[in-house]
Amino acid sequence: RKEVEQDPGPFNVPEGATVAFNCTYSNSASQSFFWYRQDCRKEPKLLMSVYSSGNEDGRFTAQLNRASQYISLLIRDSKLSDSATYLCVVGGSQGNLIFGKGTKLSVKP
Amino acid sequence: GAVVSQHPSRVICKSGTSVKIECRSLDFQATTMFWYRQFPKQSLMLMATSNEGSKATYEQGVEKDKFLINHASLTLSTLTVTSAHPEDSSFYICSATRTKAGGNEQFFGPGTRLTVL
Repeated sequence: RKEVEQDPGPFNVPEGATVAFNCTYSNSASQSFFWYRQDCRKEPKLLMSVYSSGNEDGRFTAQLNRASQYISLLIRDSKLSDSATYLCVVGGSQGNLIFGKGTKLSVKP
Repeated sequence: GAVVSQHPSRVICKSGTSVKIECRSLDFQATTMFWYRQFPKQSLMLMATSNEGSKATYEQGVEKDKFLINHASLTLSTLTVTSAHPEDSSFYICSATRTKAGGNEQFFGPGTRLTVL
């Protein structure tokens, strides 16, 4: 089983749509969780950390379910600029990050 | 936010040559830096953990004699791909850890795209 698994995608949605990404992780001892965004041929950039209580940042809402080892990201009112690959990321034991393969989102006019 | 630079941003070289990539933390000291590699349509994979003043820790399957890592100062880590071959063509990204109260933060460099002909 891969350490971090994500929806395969791609997701093609119209502007204004709500889209949800899901992710599961294999190590129950993991302590930190993130969503990163990666644009084509660029480095990943932190979108938001994910906390057990769930957290929201504008149009973005992240949820964590430790019992199910499941992480989600909800994007409301999609914008064209949201088009990117979204990476589910779990903190590793050495302080490194363990990345999922990513889910590509394409928002169309 | 903190800034991490990488140089060069892009390299095209012939098979058999060695390529050196630099990763610098510009406005903070990083005792730990990480080197990742990303093949097309694949996830970023950790190659090695670079610790200032000590030997790097390599992930399983990564040849330490092929990917030489040097972390000689708190702001610079280098990755040298020795005798590069076409299968080494990839996107190499470093990250640097800034230690702060409440938890460490990790910042990524812009990446180096290596193409070996």
